[in-house]
Amino acid sequence: QQPVQSPQAVILREGEDAVINCSSSKALYSVHWYRQKHGEAPIFLMILLKGGEQKGHDKISASFNEKKQQSSLYLTASQLSYSGTYFCGTEAAGNQFYFGTGTSLTVIP
Amino acid sequence: DTEVTQTPKHLVMGMTNKKSLKCEQHMGHRAMYWYKQKAKKPPELMFVYSYEKLSINESVPSRFSPECPNSSLLNLHLHALQPEDSALYLCASSRPLAGEVRTDTQYFGPGTRLTVL
Repeated sequence: QQPVQSPQAVILREGEDAVINCSSSKALYSVHWYRQKHGEAPIFLMILLKGGEQKGHDKISASFNEKKQQSSLYLTASQLSYSGTYFCGTEAAGNQFYFGTGTSLTVIP
Repeated sequence: DTEVTQTPKHLVMGMTNKKSLKCEQHMGHRAMYWYKQKAKKPPELMFVYSYEKLSINESVPSRFSPECPNSSLLNLHLHALQPEDSALYLCASSRPLAGEVRTDTQYFGPGTRLTVL
């Protein structure tokens, strides 16, 4: 039931782009994206409520393919502050909410 | 005010102790959550309260007992815990989406780091 994220870990140089994928085996109502830095609480990035919806702010955007039960998070021109662990959170029938397996992202100068 | 506060920040307890974790929010959110997070793992949902009623209990052992005294406050009472219960306990709150018990943006507190000896 836990969504699977890929890749598990990625290292980027400043300015490079990255894509993080989130895949669920269940039909989804919504997908959330969070970033968590070591020792801190998860911080909300965005929520996607409808299939095909794409959202973004600054250089971080996301898409939600309802039919494939997948979501992708796009980080462009990465900055050092983007480092952390990214989690998708998926909501399925029965008010079930699960965080994905996580993707560790490290941005180096 | 988009803050969720949790107390205490750190807690060390023995297996025979009784302790409580506290979570508070003043954003008018009517959904509140407890999560457990082990190192390098994603948060695991434990309980969800919606409009002060327990709506989800993810098969959590009875040594964890949640309580929602009012719309701003959420407690987690701990009794006879095991060392494997040591973890970061996160509280979150959200505004239920109109007409449904679904999650909207969840705002997380800083967590309570619990160590059971």
